[in-house]
Amino acid sequence: AQSVAQPEDQVNVAEGNPLTVKCTYSVSGNPYLFWYVQYPNRGLQFLLKYITGDNLVKGSYGFEAEFNKSQTSFHLKKPSALVSDSALYFCAVRVQAGTALIFGKGTTLSVSS
Amino acid sequence: DAGITQSPRYKITETGRQVTLMCHQTWSHSYMFWYRQDLGHGLRLIYYSAAADITDKGEVPDGYVVSRSKTENFPLTLESATRSQTSVYFCASSALTSRPVYEQYFGPGTRLTVT
Repeated sequence: AQSVAQPEDQVNVAEGNPLTVKCTYSVSGNPYLFWYVQYPNRGLQFLLKYITGDNLVKGSYGFEAEFNKSQTSFHLKKPSALVSDSALYFCAVRVQAGTALIFGKGTTLSVSS
Repeated sequence: DAGITQSPRYKITETGRQVTLMCHQTWSHSYMFWYRQDLGHGLRLIYYSAAADITDKGEVPDGYVVSRSKTENFPLTLESATRSQTSVYFCASSALTSRPVYEQYFGPGTRLTVT
């Protein structure tokens, strides 16, 4: 079965420090991977996606993600965290033959000043 | 306004009542989706639609009904609401899901409470 795992319910970082939000996936075939962010009382906003090509994908708001096929991971990263980055982050995967996205359970990122 | 909208944003209903959540998008996207968001579960797909008059079940369809008579609208109906359907419901749309791969765009959500 296809699945996405976000092993950390919460990640805490200090402003200015680098951040990583982890995601691993299990799919058959080539995965299409996504990161979304959700601010309180808002819908999900698209951050970035990996389709093919360069393993390092750059997205909105200074975020990037690294695709690692051997480790089946797609970790979200940012070199310098901002307090305004505090939100709920979702990793998602779409398999080639599928239609909808399969989401992880989400990771709450808290950036302290 | 352009984009994807949901109504109502908040709804309280009683067990056993029928309630319909509305979703409207202005992009003429082919695909539309309904997800529910619950703590500890992330987002789970309820139903999706590939085009007008074409719908299919997702992971958690029981107790829900959808229709899509027009491309821009995708209402979700709870035929007889139960407390377990208390959740936040998100509608999403996507231009296509085959290559090239388009991301999904989400509405603001409807917070439904069933008492």
